[in-house]
Amino acid sequence: GAGVSQSPSNKVTEKGKDVELRCDPISGHTALYWYRQRLGQGLEFLIYFQGNSAPDKSGLPSDRFSAERTGESVSTLTIQRTQQEDSAVYLCASSHIGTTNTEAFFGQGTRLTVV
Amino acid sequence: AQSVTQPDIHITVSEGASLELRCNYSYGATPYLFWYVQSPGQGLQLLLKYFSGDTLVQGIKGFEAEFKRSQSSFNLRKPSVHWSDAAEYFCAVIYGGATNKLIFGTGTLLAVQP
Repeated sequence: GAGVSQSPSNKVTEKGKDVELRCDPISGHTALYWYRQRLGQGLEFLIYFQGNSAPDKSGLPSDRFSAERTGESVSTLTIQRTQQEDSAVYLCASSHIGTTNTEAFFGQGTRLTVV
Repeated sequence: AQSVTQPDIHITVSEGASLELRCNYSYGATPYLFWYVQSPGQGLQLLLKYFSGDTLVQGIKGFEAEFKRSQSSFNLRKPSVHWSDAAEYFCAVIYGGATNKLIFGTGTLLAVQP
């Protein structure tokens, strides 16, 4: 597609349920990022995928959070046993890396509300 | 630790006044540097980026930024602010090396007074 696509755009879930968020990056982009943005806060790095290298998971806040990426395409962020503090907008971005074209393009985000 | 600092959480300027938003990075090597803008209800948009070469870079919407290695800074400037510039501004950096993860500062919220 023309841009980074995230689904769903909004998700309301009950505390304790699992949720899965999806990101379709720009075709050909080797790098993919996930961020969390709580209300009125900055972007908190969660995880970074680069080609076939092992992902950088240093930002995942707990073992309830995990993410996968199939090759250089779709990524899913899974949050197990959701808690109210998980409520936030989850942003995905994709990019080329290592060239002057390096620029992260962001999706519109998934707004997650845990009730 | 690799980090990005935006010292100003909230700035208010009058329309037509000049603007400078501060950004400092922590690492010694020359990173890739970015400024993004997030308008209310909008996604993140890249304003400009610096990789190498001329330390003064021009971006969209009349913004520019200057990379100063001696100060580890990459401040964003605009000579005359418009009301539509009210938004949150994020500085971001890729340090390279073992990982190319994109790290964001905490953001500066810009308000523009008539």
